[in-house]
Amino acid sequence: RKEVEQDPGPFNVPEGATVAFNCTYSNSASQSFFWYRQDCRKEPKLLMSVYSSGNEDGRFTAQLNRASQYISLLIRDSKLSDSATYLCVVNFAGGYNKLIFGAGTRLAVHP
Amino acid sequence: DGGITQSPKYLFRKEGQNVTLSCEQNLNHDAMYWYRQDPGQGLRLIYYSQIVNDFQKGDIAEGYSVSREKKESFPLTVTSAQKNPTAFYLCASSTLRTGSYGYTFGSGTRLTIV
Repeated sequence: RKEVEQDPGPFNVPEGATVAFNCTYSNSASQSFFWYRQDCRKEPKLLMSVYSSGNEDGRFTAQLNRASQYISLLIRDSKLSDSATYLCVVNFAGGYNKLIFGAGTRLAVHP
Repeated sequence: DGGITQSPKYLFRKEGQNVTLSCEQNLNHDAMYWYRQDPGQGLRLIYYSQIVNDFQKGDIAEGYSVSREKKESFPLTVTSAQKNPTAFYLCASSTLRTGSYGYTFGSGTRLTIV
């Protein structure tokens, strides 16, 4: 089983749609969680951290369910500029800052 | 501005040649990492370093070597022993604090073996 699993997509949605991505992780001792965004042929960039209480940043909402070892990202009112690959990232519970990256979910927003 | 710089952006080499990818950061981060990404694939860890003069193998270290002589610098050498070196190489850095922070990535080096 992969340490971090994501649906690869692609998710093709019209502008203005709401879309949700899910991610599961295998190490129950993991402590920190992130969503990164990667544009085509570019480096990943941190989109947001994910906290137990859930957190929101504008149109983006992240949720964490520790019991189910499940993380989600919700994007409301999708824009063309949201088209990218979204990487679910989990820290390796080994005492230092080693992150494990999911393979990513591709989102394509069309007019 | 603080950041992490990789060079060159594109690199072409003949099969059988060693090649070194540069990574420099001025973020005062202790930890640095090298990842490889193949088309449609996730990031795979090659090597990482938490402190000067020390580094550890990641999941796919065979055919690669690194050095960490300065805190700011973590070059990666792709040797002729690496069987399929054509890929997108990403360098990252971070603090050492357990799990609290993400990584900062460089803009990557796209290596093509011709």
